[in-house]
Amino acid sequence: QVQLVESGGGVVQPGGSLRLSCAASGFTFSAYAMHWVRQAPDKGLEWVAVISVDGGEKYYADSVKGRFTVSRDNFKNMLYLQMNSLRREDAAAYYCARVLPKPGTPECAFDYWGQGTLVTVSS
Amino acid sequence: QSALTQPASVSGSPGQSITISCTGTRSDVGDHNFVSWYQQHPGKAPKLMIYEVTNRPSGVSSRFSGSKSDNTASLTISGLQAEDEADYYCSSWRRSSTPYVFGTGTRVTVL
Repeated sequence: QVQLVESGGGVVQPGGSLRLSCAASGFTFSAYAMHWVRQAPDKGLEWVAVISVDGGEKYYADSVKGRFTVSRDNFKNMLYLQMNSLRREDAAAYYCARVLPKPGTPECAFDYWGQGTLVTVSS
Repeated sequence: QSALTQPASVSGSPGQSITISCTGTRSDVGDHNFVSWYQQHPGKAPKLMIYEVTNRPSGVSSRFSGSKSDNTASLTISGLQAEDEADYYCSSWRRSSTPYVFGTGTRVTVL
């Protein structure tokens, strides 16, 4: 069965860095675009980043552009989010999500999600 | 990157039908049919309920249905049940360098 397991969250000071990981299993990881979505405590969902199947295309939310970098290792079935220059407003649960495969479309529905990893930004 | 607009809360009695709206612009919801809906119970990851405005993934109850008119998409829950009490989010694709956006979220309460 499809599984997405995030890790790497924790407490970091403002201005610090953190690298999140998402281990994928149960499907052909290299055939799917992958996303990061975050949710601040008691707040709504916020889309963060997407990476194409081969890593050649990446897009980011304006709020993280220039500070966050999404990457993937298709040999290890791993998705990553490198977060630099962290701000208090980046504190959230970070989810990795797989797209529902629909060739020929933007593939913008997320059919599987991880359980999330919590990032706390505090001094 | 403005979020799509949803009502903060919607409530209904068991067995009733409720509708949640999701209002965007001609650049997102009004531009195409790539609107999805997610259900999120407290402390859980979101679950895909509707994609491409009207389609239900396998395993999602037929009590959930989606529609769209102009710049507003809607999710209808028929025969409301206690287990439907959750937060619901819409999302849309858009032709932009930030191509995905979520709605503000709606808390559904079963009275």
